[in-house]
Amino acid sequence: AQSVTQLGSHVSVSEGALVLLRCNYSSSVPPYLFWYVQYPNQGLQLLLKYTSAATLVKGINGFEAEFKKSETSFHLTKPSAHMSDAAEYFCAVSGVDTGNQFYFGTGTSLTVIP
Amino acid sequence: NAGVTQTPKFRVLKTGQSMTLLCAQDMNHEYMYWYRQDPGMGLRLIHYSVGEGTTAKGEVPDGYNVSRLKKQNFLLGLESAAPSQTSVYFCASSRGSGNYGYTFGSGTRLTVV
Repeated sequence: AQSVTQLGSHVSVSEGALVLLRCNYSSSVPPYLFWYVQYPNQGLQLLLKYTSAATLVKGINGFEAEFKKSETSFHLTKPSAHMSDAAEYFCAVSGVDTGNQFYFGTGTSLTVIP
Repeated sequence: NAGVTQTPKFRVLKTGQSMTLLCAQDMNHEYMYWYRQDPGMGLRLIHYSVGEGTTAKGEVPDGYNVSRLKKQNFLLGLESAAPSQTSVYFCASSRGSGNYGYTFGSGTRLTVV
């Protein structure tokens, strides 16, 4: 069975500080991995995705994530947090083990402190 | 482009009432999905469809029915609403399975009293 775990349901960072949101997956084969962002009272928007090409994936709004097979991780980072980054972030996995359906993590709420 | 449109955006139901949530997409996507979002539980798949005329159960299908009579529309029905169905419902669509990302609607906030 395939699943995704997001460590830390709430993360707070100061404006200008590094953002690190953690995501680990369990899968017998390398899956497809995604990060989505949800702003208050809105739907989810795709930030970036890993589809077995480059292991370092760049997304929108300065975010990037690195696929590390040895650690079964796909952590999301941004060098310098901005107030507008405050949102809920979801990691998702899809692949052979899930019947190619998405499974979402439980989300991480990011607060940016001015 | 409208993308994925959900109606209504808000609704309050009494226990036992029925209602239908409508999802419409204008991207000619084959796959469509209904999720519910609850605090601390992320998004859970209710039902999905891999093409016009097809439907399949997801992780939490009980108490819900769906129909995909037209490719662009995916309807979610609650026959007899229960307080446990109070949630935010999201529709999504995609070109296919696997590495295709999803496009989400803006959600329907449903309260059952």
